[in-house]
Amino acid sequence: DAMVIQNPRYQVTQFGKPVTLSCSQTLNHNVMYWYQQKSSQAPKLLFHYYDKDFNNEADTPDNFQSRRPNTSFCFLDIRSPGLGDAAMYLCATRASGPSYEQYFGPGTRLTVT
Amino acid sequence: RKEVEQDPGPFNVPEGATVAFNCTYSNSASQSFFWYRQDCRKEPKLLMSVYSSGNEDGRFTAQLNRASQYISLLIRDSKLSDSATYLCVVTRGAGANNLFFGTGTRLTVIP
Repeated sequence: DAMVIQNPRYQVTQFGKPVTLSCSQTLNHNVMYWYQQKSSQAPKLLFHYYDKDFNNEADTPDNFQSRRPNTSFCFLDIRSPGLGDAAMYLCATRASGPSYEQYFGPGTRLTVT
Repeated sequence: RKEVEQDPGPFNVPEGATVAFNCTYSNSASQSFFWYRQDCRKEPKLLMSVYSSGNEDGRFTAQLNRASQYISLLIRDSKLSDSATYLCVVTRGAGANNLFFGTGTRLTVIP
């Protein structure tokens, strides 16, 4: 059974056209993360939610926003995608507590034309 | 200096070989350490946590040297299915629950 689901798996958008990526989880985890991963690079943390508390990374561009309407869902909004935003976007979850293990979704591969 | 540094490889080894990957981290306050595996165009998946005393899971052995800020992963009797990128991952610092990922080491096991 899928535990962290991302939709769509592949997204093509035009330069400057807003796009929203979706993540849902069946694990009831408190913490949800969004990462950006470009080819041959490490996943880069964009932001995370601890419950409803939003934590933005200092170097995440303003172009990237996030919403978490409830425990199960989290969205990544890219307001004006540029060519440099083409990447794999990974959602991950973690339970609160001593374990740092993160569970990743399959990712959404974003192409910007 | 990057928070986590790994040799990117690629490592091309024959089936049955033993291969070792190394990783260094810069934040001495990091408390938790992991190896993740990432297959091509897939998400990272936890392979194993790394404990101070070292730990083994089947053909995989992980070691941690806090004094040198160094982590290793040893794979014995390599299988074709071990072909993947192995990511070294550490927590940011004392009490932190966010992770720093290395860029990964690419392994290809050859028949």
